[in-house]
Amino acid sequence: DVKVTQSSRYLVKRTGEKVFLECVQDMDHENMFWYRQDPGLGLRLIYFSYDVKMKEKGDIPEGYSVSREKKERFSLILESASTNQTSMYLCASSSGGVDTEAFFGQGTRLTVV
Amino acid sequence: AQKITQTQPGMFVQEKEAVTLDCTYDTSDPSYGLFWYKQPSSGEMIFLIYQGSYDQQNATEGRYSLNFQKARKSANLVISASQLGDSAMYFCAMVVTGGGNKLTFGTGTQLKVEL
Repeated sequence: DVKVTQSSRYLVKRTGEKVFLECVQDMDHENMFWYRQDPGLGLRLIYFSYDVKMKEKGDIPEGYSVSREKKERFSLILESASTNQTSMYLCASSSGGVDTEAFFGQGTRLTVV
Repeated sequence: AQKITQTQPGMFVQEKEAVTLDCTYDTSDPSYGLFWYKQPSSGEMIFLIYQGSYDQQNATEGRYSLNFQKARKSANLVISASQLGDSAMYFCAMVVTGGGNKLTFGTGTQLKVEL
């Protein structure tokens, strides 16, 4: 079974802190994605990566950066957390192409206080 | 740019009835894939069904079918014989060839199945 694992289920951080959200997949997938999910707004793409060290901005990249040094790991970084970044963050991976479904992690509920 | 629109924030259906969840999409790329995912209250994302842009027939997976109307750019999910366990959030999503495998989601439809 494909497994996508996010490092934390719940996180509470202070405003201004640097926050790292880690995601690891075990199926050698090329593509990895970071989304945030907010009520009424669905899943909005923050960043995605189609190869090691490659990244593309999604629809809402402001305030975030990413790192993909190894194929299996995709990190989302909040350089200076703000309260408006309080959200559910979902990581996903897929093997590529338009006909392959994505597999998701369990999500990280981040609260910035 | 690619876009997915789901216009039904919430839907109710009686148990054992069929329900259709609407999804329209916008892309200029001729090659794309359309997906539906289910998210129960527990939060996990469950893949339900896939339709490719060049597929001649509508996709079906058990009680799920996809009503694909390419000219209208719609990809509605039909759930037959609804069950209480179908109560969940449902998301339509799209990948286009020219988008670097970017996976874009709609805002979702909250389905509630009633007795």
